[in-house]
Amino acid sequence: EVKLVESGGGLIQPGRSLRLSCEASGFTFDDYAMHWVRQRPGKGLEWVSGISWNGGTIAYAGSVRGRFTISRDNAKNSLYLQMNSLTFEDTALYFCVKGSELVVATTADYWGQGTQVTVSS
Amino acid sequence: QSVLTQPPSVSAAPGQKVTISCSGSSSNIGNNFVSWYQQVPGTAPKLLIYENNKRPSGIPDRFSASKSGTSATLGITGLQTTDAAVYWCGTWDSSLSVGVFGGGTTVTVL
Repeated sequence: EVKLVESGGGLIQPGRSLRLSCEASGFTFDDYAMHWVRQRPGKGLEWVSGISWNGGTIAYAGSVRGRFTISRDNAKNSLYLQMNSLTFEDTALYFCVKGSELVVATTADYWGQGTQVTVSS
Repeated sequence: QSVLTQPPSVSAAPGQKVTISCSGSSSNIGNNFVSWYQQVPGTAPKLLIYENNKRPSGIPDRFSASKSGTSATLGITGLQTTDAAVYWCGTWDSSLSVGVFGGGTTVTVL
């Protein structure tokens, strides 16, 4: 059974940094790209970032490029999202999502339950 | 404003059929696989359809989907009260090099 467990969310002040983690199990982690997708309160799904199986290809949404950094540790079956210079607009539920192939340019299949990030002064 | 366009809501009585459209462009739907997700309020999205029209194991055949050109469609037949949820289409946009989703469609079972 595919399992994705996010952690690291919380209440943070604007301008500060936060690092999200996602621990994966139930599949061969380094066979698949991984993504972060967020959902602002009462809003739609927004793709945030994706990383290929070996980290060789990385992509970001324009709204986070230059502030967020995605990474993975295949030895630990883990995905990360380093979020810097957080703004109120980054307040959302962040989902760790498994890609359907090795490459980042794919759709998502399995989703974690999400970790809440709230940016507030 | 979402890159993919979905109707905000659809509704039908139990046992009836609903269809949800998802409109995009050649850089996304036109040249990439489409997936569909179901999100019951308070839970994470769940994969319903992948590679345009394939169902993961455990998804009933009441759910079907198709793609034509730059549009995709999800159909739900024999509507059940448990189908009340928000449905999202998603794909990759090759020009923008980003993942894209529709704005979501709320299915109401009357």
